[in-house]
Amino acid sequence: DSGVTQTPKHLITATGQRVTLRCSPRSGDLSVYWYQQSLDQGLQFLIQYYNGEERAKGNILERFSAQQFPDLHSELNLSSLELGDSALYFCASSADGNEQFFGPGTRLTVL
Amino acid sequence: SQQGEEDPQALSIQEGENATMNCSYKTSINNLQWYRQNSGRGLVHLILIRSNEREKHSGRLRVTLDTSKKSSSLLITASRAADTASYFCATVPNSGNTPLVFGKGTRLSVIA
Repeated sequence: DSGVTQTPKHLITATGQRVTLRCSPRSGDLSVYWYQQSLDQGLQFLIQYYNGEERAKGNILERFSAQQFPDLHSELNLSSLELGDSALYFCASSADGNEQFFGPGTRLTVL
Repeated sequence: SQQGEEDPQALSIQEGENATMNCSYKTSINNLQWYRQNSGRGLVHLILIRSNEREKHSGRLRVTLDTSKKSSSLLITASRAADTASYFCATVPNSGNTPLVFGKGTRLSVIA
């Protein structure tokens, strides 16, 4: 158990819909990272937050947004969903910016 | 785009044998890390090697880093069926704002 929790575990929705994925980092970790993992694209970094502020941005689509709240939990919002957004979405947290602790992931299926 | 590229893409060995996976990357790095992922689960950090280190050990794991060749290898000795997983290298580039850049992984199968 990494100490990082993600909800929900599975999400099935339709194209055009909007979903919110939630992540609680390990106690004390200020950095939260979001990744998308699909079979064809591998593990793609989406975005990083540090203590409530956006720190780094990767291959995140404009339809996607994230935020980190004062209690350090984070949410990833995915809107206008397309079939290609079906993937595993991971959250990770880190204390020092090096070793990252990954949550169990949310499996999103867009039908 | 992916920074690290693991080789081979898939590896199948017998229990007790050693498994070697390689990783190549493109830009200068601060450190390189190896992660393991069991099917459909979250990644687990295995080991970190800094750019000024050449070799590091952790239990049955041995990691080498050659910054002149921009490559790293992960050796798992005396493999067990429980080592069956995907293994990813990830680099922290010296420049830019991307915290970790992952390769596509090596799928290791250890047959009992």
